[in-house]
Amino acid sequence: DQQVKQNSPSLSVQEGRISILNCDYTNSMFDYFLWYKKYPAEGPTFLISISSIKDKNEDGRFTVFLNKSAKHLSLHIVPSQPGDSAVYFCAASLMNRDDKIIFGKGTRLHILP
Amino acid sequence: DTAVSQTPKYLVTQMGNDKSIKCEQNLGHDTMYWYKQDSKKFLKIMFSYNNKELIINETVPNRFSPKSPDKAHLNLHINSLELGDSAVYFCASSQQGVLRAFFGQGTRLTVV
Repeated sequence: DQQVKQNSPSLSVQEGRISILNCDYTNSMFDYFLWYKKYPAEGPTFLISISSIKDKNEDGRFTVFLNKSAKHLSLHIVPSQPGDSAVYFCAASLMNRDDKIIFGKGTRLHILP
Repeated sequence: DTAVSQTPKYLVTQMGNDKSIKCEQNLGHDTMYWYKQDSKKFLKIMFSYNNKELIINETVPNRFSPKSPDKAHLNLHINSLELGDSAVYFCASSQQGVLRAFFGQGTRLTVV
């Protein structure tokens, strides 16, 4: 039972353009969402998060949008850079339960020169 | 300085063997975790420890036994290894729960 779904296993984007990574979730109780970035042979690193009281959170080139009614969030990277090539994991959790987080399967982003 | 370090990075072993993966964090975090990323690429939590006490045990076979000698270390011992145990195992730590965890580089375990 996939509670967090990333339906695109991979995505290719031209350098300088916008990268949009999508994520859907099924549990309406989730109230905190995160994106992690993972390079090969390294562990995931935290990128950006958003709580359910917001619909947008921005940090430099990275913006996460949350649509609670659609149970959908997306990560926008503008402009895309070669170093952004990595696997991006969407994750969801409950803020009042700091014990576990549900991860998606990840989307591999390729930034093309 | 590596914040969360786990050893070994690669581990190839035969079915039936017992092996351990070590994890250490120098961030002063209270909570440590073990995650498993299987062939389907899902990252699933296995265990979490808070100040050396087990908090989560997510339906993991009892062949897997975490050991936390102190809050900076959480080792994973696996008995009687099976083919299905082949995966990448990630250690992680956090101060405010999993919501912002720091991960180690992973240990790729291959059981042959």
